[in-house]
Amino acid sequence: QKEVEQDPGPLSVPEGAIVSLNCTYSNSAFQYFMWYRQYSRKGPELLMYTYSSGNKEDGRFTAQVDKSSKYISLFIRDSQPSDSATYLCAMSDDYKLSFGAGTTVTVRA
Amino acid sequence: SAVISQKPSRDICQRGTSLTIQCQVDSQVTMMFWYRQQPGQSLTLIATANQGSEATYESGFVIDKFPISRPNLTFSTLTVSNMSPEDSSIYLCSVEGDRPYEQYFGPGTRLTVT
Repeated sequence: QKEVEQDPGPLSVPEGAIVSLNCTYSNSAFQYFMWYRQYSRKGPELLMYTYSSGNKEDGRFTAQVDKSSKYISLFIRDSQPSDSATYLCAMSDDYKLSFGAGTTVTVRA
Repeated sequence: SAVISQKPSRDICQRGTSLTIQCQVDSQVTMMFWYRQQPGQSLTLIATANQGSEATYESGFVIDKFPISRPNLTFSTLTVSNMSPEDSSIYLCSVEGDRPYEQYFGPGTRLTVT
């Protein structure tokens, strides 16, 4: 069993739709939960983070963490073509990160 | 945030040869990381490189195959030795940010082994 599971998609949505992404994990020691965005031929960039359980909102992006279920989510509201990218969840309990496989999202204009 | 550059950006190599990838950071950092990103698979940590000490390798990765140098606080190299087609992948370096969960990534080196 992988430490972090993420559906690779791909996911295609029309512009303006809500994008829902999620990951599950097995290591209960994880305390930091992140979402990275990776555009084609670029390195990943940190999009959002959450410490322990709870929700965090940043503009059109909302990250949720449910530690009791070992489940994290990222929601993108009013999606734009510029949101087309691969989204990777990542988790850690120290300086090392464990990544999901990434979900490729395409937002159609 | 740190700005990271990698060289080369891509390369096509013959089986049995070696390739050295360079990673340069625009500020001094203690910890640098090397990852492998294969299609459809998770970004996988190869090793952590601290300046002045031997790199720490993750399970499944060995120094003979992936020797790493870290001569100063802004630079590191990863060598992929005795390459086979299975080594075809994107190799990324990253550096620690200000917070435990934060890492800044370089653009990656796309390696194809024929």
